[in-house]
Amino acid sequence: DAGVTQSPTHLIKTRGQQVTLRCSPKSGHDTVSWYQQALGQGPQFIFQYYEEEERQRGNFPDRFSGHQFPNYSSELNVNALLLGDSALYLCASSLSASGRYEQYFGPGTRLTVT
Amino acid sequence: ILNVEQSPQSLHVQEGDSTNFTCSFPSSNFYALHWYRWETAKSPEALFVMTLNGDEKKKGRISATLNTKEGYSYLYIKGSQPEDSATYLCAPSAPSYNTDKLIFGTGTRLQVFP
Repeated sequence: DAGVTQSPTHLIKTRGQQVTLRCSPKSGHDTVSWYQQALGQGPQFIFQYYEEEERQRGNFPDRFSGHQFPNYSSELNVNALLLGDSALYLCASSLSASGRYEQYFGPGTRLTVT
Repeated sequence: ILNVEQSPQSLHVQEGDSTNFTCSFPSSNFYALHWYRWETAKSPEALFVMTLNGDEKKKGRISATLNTKEGYSYLYIKGSQPEDSATYLCAPSAPSYNTDKLIFGTGTRLQVFP
């Protein structure tokens, strides 16, 4: 079992550009959540996808969007990048809709915006 | 909005010392409490998920307790080892529309010296 995988590992973009990050969930999981960890902070919830739909969203602007595919993998898209978007982006997968289940995290994608 | 506080922010101990950390969260609006262990350059690793007041869970030398009435959880490490060095994150999950959105604290960074 490969666990949760994310790509790419690192990414450097310039302000105003767009970026797409990818996540493959742990085998058997159907729910994918995305988190942003800025320096010195705990991970912040961006949104969660289940059955190919955004189920809940955190306090992030519309520049952040996502998608879930039929195979449960997911993408996070960020448009019009700002310097403040520089962060570690974590993907987590879980089974169905209960907060009582463990969420399994990937290693993250480190995004640097210059 | 859940406000999660962890203390101390960082901790330096000698190998063999026992240690404990605190996670505080609002006692109302509670659903489940997750503990994660996060080593540098690796994925956050799920340690425990606890839901019931008075819950106690143990994994090897690490154990955790939960008090939902007063809104806190303790994580204990008995006989710390250098390989325990990591950041320990707690995250209550918010009971909103049956999602497992996690609200992370900023973590306790543990350094164990040989």
